[in-house]
Amino acid sequence: AQSVTQPDIHITVSEGASLELRCNYSYGATPYLFWYVQSPGQGLQLLLKYFSGDTLVQGIKGFEAEFKRSQSSFNLRKPSVHWSDAAEYFCAVGAVGATNKLIFGTGTLLAVQP
Amino acid sequence: DAGVIQSPRHEVTEMGQEVTLRCKPISGHNSLFWYRQTMMRGLELLIYFNNNVPIDDSGMPEDRFSAKMPNASFSTLKIQPSEPRDSAVYFCASSFLAEQFFGPGTRLTVL
Repeated sequence: AQSVTQPDIHITVSEGASLELRCNYSYGATPYLFWYVQSPGQGLQLLLKYFSGDTLVQGIKGFEAEFKRSQSSFNLRKPSVHWSDAAEYFCAVGAVGATNKLIFGTGTLLAVQP
Repeated sequence: DAGVIQSPRHEVTEMGQEVTLRCKPISGHNSLFWYRQTMMRGLELLIYFNNNVPIDDSGMPEDRFSAKMPNASFSTLKIQPSEPRDSAVYFCASSFLAEQFFGPGTRLTVL
């Protein structure tokens, strides 16, 4: 079955510290992978995506993610977190096809301590 | 492009009333999705359309919920009659080539 697992429901980091949010997926075909961010009261915004090619992808706001096929993972990283990064982060998997449906993880809520 | 447009942004209604949420997808996108988000259940896919045709409505919680997409630039999600447990934020998203673009959402409160 297709699924996305974000094992960390809630993470707290200090401002300036590095960040890694975990995402593991189960998908029958070669996946397309996404990270979205949702600030309070807002819709989901795309941070970055992986379709093919270089397995290390760069996104907006200084985020990056690495696709590791052997581990079925697509972890999100940022070297230095800013207070404005406090939000909920969603990993999603899908494929280009007839439906464009995505499977979303349950999200990781990030808190940033001053 | 203005992005995905949803209206209203906030809706407060009383139990038993009909509620209609509206969505205008991004021009050229061929897929449209309706989601519901609550603290308890997280983000749930209710229904999605491909080329204006409903593909999967298995996420629609009850017969009180219905959705239509009469053309490529407009979709509605209707709840009739509404109940307090329908209170949530409802998102519309449109897509082309898998990447989904979300609207700002409609916050529905049913008293």
